[in-house]
Amino acid sequence: QVQLVQSGAEVKKPGASVKVSCKASGYTFTAYYIHWVRQAPGQGLEWMGWINPNSGGTKYAQKFQGRVTMTRDTSISTAYMDLSSVRSDDTAVYYCARDVGGWNYGDWGQGTLVTVSS
Amino acid sequence: DIQMTQSPSSLSASVGDRVTITCRASQGITNYLAWFQQKPGKAPKSLIYAASSLQTGVPSKFSGSGSGTDFTLTISSLQPEDFATYYCQQYHTYPFTFGPGTRVDIK
Repeated sequence: QVQLVQSGAEVKKPGASVKVSCKASGYTFTAYYIHWVRQAPGQGLEWMGWINPNSGGTKYAQKFQGRVTMTRDTSISTAYMDLSSVRSDDTAVYYCARDVGGWNYGDWGQGTLVTVSS
Repeated sequence: DIQMTQSPSSLSASVGDRVTITCRASQGITNYLAWFQQKPGKAPKSLIYAASSLQTGVPSKFSGSGSGTDFTLTISSLQPEDFATYYCQQYHTYPFTFGPGTRVDIK
């Protein structure tokens, strides 16, 4: 069955970078885009961008341009989301989601809590 | 950015009730609209895509309708497992944006 397994919780100081991984299994990794969505504590969902695991092409929300980098390692079927210069309002659960076609998120990772605190 | 609003922000309902949630986009998005269900501490789950297409494995008590700027999610007969927060999302224009959510709890 399809699984997206994310890396564990992180605690970072303001100004640091954080890298979250999303390991895919149960399907051909390069065939489906991966999106990243985050959710601050008690808040709603926020789309960050996507990566095409086949080409490595990306699309980021303007809000995160210059701070976010999405990459992938096809040899281990893993996508990554790197957020730099983090600040307290980046504290959130970060999710990866598999786009099964037409921007339809068929599967989600379990989420990774990133806490930014001095 | 396209702003998504949802109404109501919360509602209380009983098992067996028919529930309707409304989502409105600040500009036309044709049918590029998805609905998600999220339970506390869990990842969202996709229910509906393309405004009215049921995600594989989602029970038919969920249905979606609408196009342009106004959309609805209907749960035909609310069951205990349906108490959750529901979000709409537009994917017509970047950045993709979500509504603020509608919390459905037990009356």
